[in-house]
Amino acid sequence: GAGVSQSPSNKVTEKGKDVELRCDPISGHTALYWYRQSLGQGLEFLIYFQGNSAPDKSGLPSDRFSAERTGGSVSTLTIQRTQQEDSAVYLCASSQRAGTDTQYFGPGTRLTVL
Amino acid sequence: GQNIDQPTEMTATEGAIVQINCTYQTSGFNGLFWYQQHAGEAPTFLSYNVLDGLEEKGRFSSFLSRSKGYSYLLLKELQMKDSASYLCASLLGNNRLAFGKGNQVVVIP
Repeated sequence: GAGVSQSPSNKVTEKGKDVELRCDPISGHTALYWYRQSLGQGLEFLIYFQGNSAPDKSGLPSDRFSAERTGGSVSTLTIQRTQQEDSAVYLCASSQRAGTDTQYFGPGTRLTVL
Repeated sequence: GQNIDQPTEMTATEGAIVQINCTYQTSGFNGLFWYQQHAGEAPTFLSYNVLDGLEEKGRFSSFLSRSKGYSYLLLKELQMKDSASYLCASLLGNNRLAFGKGNQVVVIP
């Protein structure tokens, strides 16, 4: 079946604007993760969803960041009032369940804030 | 905090063997993942170790020592397509992956 897909693949925005990034996980995967990869840095955990449980938001860097997952499938990461330091590749991953199940990554969205 | 250390870059010759090391100090540990990431692409899963010892999978093998907080990825019979960044990630007790910065391997003819 299809892998994890993300859209858009690239997003250029002006400082202060809001952006929405979308992730379609692998069908049947109950766990969904968002990471951020800045230049020269390792992947940084942002948030994860497991089934209908409350998401673990503890990795979100500020209250400008939020995410939701509708119907246990598609997820949207929203960044409000973007700043230049938000420029990074935002990666989404899904796994059958949270924990030791392998996380499969999407191709990412490259966000550039001017 | 979480500490995952990897060398930043190494160069190796086509056909050779290369060992990529990773040391970790994390709060909670449920296993060690290795991913391969080509430039501009998504990380792809290579291996998962939760018990001590060596796991072999074709040209790639991965080793874990929990008591030493140490893992390595062994790549044999290097090919040009193996040029990529290799990411070490510790699975924490809260189901998160904590990643190192990645080791860029450059394969030369």
